[in-house]
Amino acid sequence: NAGVTQTPKFQVLKTGQSMTLQCAQDMNHEYMSWYRQDPGMGLRLIHYSVGAGITDQGEVPNGYNVSRSTTEDFPLRLLSAAPSQTSVYFCASSYGAIQETQYFGPGTRLLVL
Amino acid sequence: GENVEQHPSTLSVQEGDSAVIKCTYSDSASNYFPWYKQELGKRPQLIIDIRSNVGEKKDQRIAVTLNKTAKHFSLHITETQPEDSAVYFCAAPRSGSARQLTFGSGTQLTVLP
Repeated sequence: NAGVTQTPKFQVLKTGQSMTLQCAQDMNHEYMSWYRQDPGMGLRLIHYSVGAGITDQGEVPNGYNVSRSTTEDFPLRLLSAAPSQTSVYFCASSYGAIQETQYFGPGTRLLVL
Repeated sequence: GENVEQHPSTLSVQEGDSAVIKCTYSDSASNYFPWYKQELGKRPQLIIDIRSNVGEKKDQRIAVTLNKTAKHFSLHITETQPEDSAVYFCAAPRSGSARQLTFGSGTQLTVLP
């Protein structure tokens, strides 16, 4: 099993550009989530999904969209990038919901100029 | 996170000594408390978790204690080794949501040889 994979590993954007961060898992996990990690602020939940076709907002959803058309994939879209979105983004998945081990991807480092 | 506070933010100990990290939470209905370890440049990984029906859980040199009355839980690492150096995050269910995890701001643990 590859576990949780994320692409790209690193991306530089200009303010106003859009892009999609990819996340995939091959463990047949129902629960998937996106976090951003900023220095001194821990991990903050952006969006999450409890299964294909179902998504919901987390703590910091503004400026981001998600969709879940399959169990395996959970892409995160930045609609119009802003410097405040410079961060490290982690995707995670688990078999159940939050009361199970969260398996994190390797992360995507995003720099918005 | 908005309902999980973690202290201290940095902790240095001599190799072989013990380390204790404490987190407090606000929602008395919270029932699941995981701890994640993140080595430099790596993804977070679960090291131990505890559910609200027990007061303590141990796994070799690592233990977690839970005080539901005071609404705090702590990570204890005994006989620390250099490879324990990392950032440690506590987490708890977000207030009012059984499907979202809120993470503490992290503790940078340094084990000095």
